[in-house]
Amino acid sequence: SQQGEEDPQALSIQEGENATMNCSYKTSINNLQWYRQNSGRGLVHLILIRSNEREKHSGRLRVTLDTSKKSSSLLITASRAADTASYFCATATNNAGNMLTFGGGTRLMVKP
Amino acid sequence: EAQVTQNPRYLITVTGKKLTVTCSQNMNHEYMSWYRQDPGLGLRQIYYSMNVEVTDKGDVPEGYKVSRKEKRNFPLILESPSPNQTSLYFCASGRTGYGTEAFFGQGTRLTVV
Repeated sequence: SQQGEEDPQALSIQEGENATMNCSYKTSINNLQWYRQNSGRGLVHLILIRSNEREKHSGRLRVTLDTSKKSSSLLITASRAADTASYFCATATNNAGNMLTFGGGTRLMVKP
Repeated sequence: EAQVTQNPRYLITVTGKKLTVTCSQNMNHEYMSWYRQDPGLGLRQIYYSMNVEVTDKGDVPEGYKVSRKEKRNFPLILESPSPNQTSLYFCASGRTGYGTEAFFGQGTRLTVV
């Protein structure tokens, strides 16, 4: 079952613009993670935010978490063509240890 | 270099012919997992293992088997593959405990004809 649902499913922007992707989930979580996947390749971990955190930064990435709304957002600032990829949110629930449940992903295209 | 290695990367097989996809990690991770990725369905967990000799079903375990005899290896076995198992498969590993990131292999694209 998909715990996380990303929105939008696809996003196309120009280089230099900001990209915002949203993730909604259904049950209580221990933490939420964002991953990036280049076409047909393995996923790469970007950032993790715990349920008691509201915002986290890593370089050009900013993640927010609103547990009352069961939602998270990933903001990529000053996007580059190399940011073109699919982005997935994944949730870790308290009852499932390491088990991560992934959403369907957002396909981001950054045009040079 | 820390990595998760899957083999083969690409495989075309026929219905019913048993196959094994290998997965090995060199990070001494306790936790390992298999996912399949299908268009529109995202990643779905097939099986996972919290340690040697400990395995458990994920969301879509039907038609698959796994084993965890050694810490570094977690092979995925399809005893009698069917066309609906055509998919992109990923192995992942991580440390046990909540809040740990998963490290993914490069994927195995399987086609069952």
